[in-house]
Amino acid sequence: EDQVTQSPEALRLQEGESSSLNCSYTVSGLRGLFWYRQDPGKGPEFLFTLYSAGEEKEKERLKATLTKKESFLHITAPKPEDSATYLCAVQAGFGNTDKLIFGTGTRLQVFP
Amino acid sequence: DVKVTQSSRYLVKRTGEKVFLECVQDMDHENMFWYRQDPGLGLRLIYFSYDVKMKEKGDIPEGYSVSREKKERFSLILESASTNQTSMYLCAISTGESRDTIYFGEGSWLTVV
Repeated sequence: EDQVTQSPEALRLQEGESSSLNCSYTVSGLRGLFWYRQDPGKGPEFLFTLYSAGEEKEKERLKATLTKKESFLHITAPKPEDSATYLCAVQAGFGNTDKLIFGTGTRLQVFP
Repeated sequence: DVKVTQSSRYLVKRTGEKVFLECVQDMDHENMFWYRQDPGLGLRLIYFSYDVKMKEKGDIPEGYSVSREKKERFSLILESASTNQTSMYLCAISTGESRDTIYFGEGSWLTVV
């Protein structure tokens, strides 16, 4: 069965304290792995798509990497405004299907 | 910029009521989705549609139906709302050459009492 697991569930960081969030997956036929940011009471905001092992993408203080079994979202020198829930999702299978399988997210809090 | 608009942000409905949640996109995207999001369970796919009048069941379709009469509009219908349908509902569209980027609306918070 296709599955996505995110860890840790919650993470508290001091401003400037770098860390990483983990997303491990077991799927048949990975087509893409997605990272989203979600603020309380809002819809998920798209951050990155990764397609193959070894791929990396960056945006400001965020960097996403992908291996054959997991993805990491590295946060360098975080600021309080980076506080949010970060969701990982995979797009799997073959044919004309775009549905995503989501993890339950990592709730990040960054304190000044 | 891709825009996905959910017309109702907050609703309170009574058990047994019929509920319509509407989603409108501003581009000519074919694929539209309805998810619900619950604490500890993440986002789960209810229904999706690849084109007008086409619909396919997602992972949790029971108790829901959908309607897509126009390309830009995808409605989620709760025929008889129940308290276990209290949730955040998210509409999404997929875009890009490979339809590989999925954008979400702001969400609709539904409380069934």
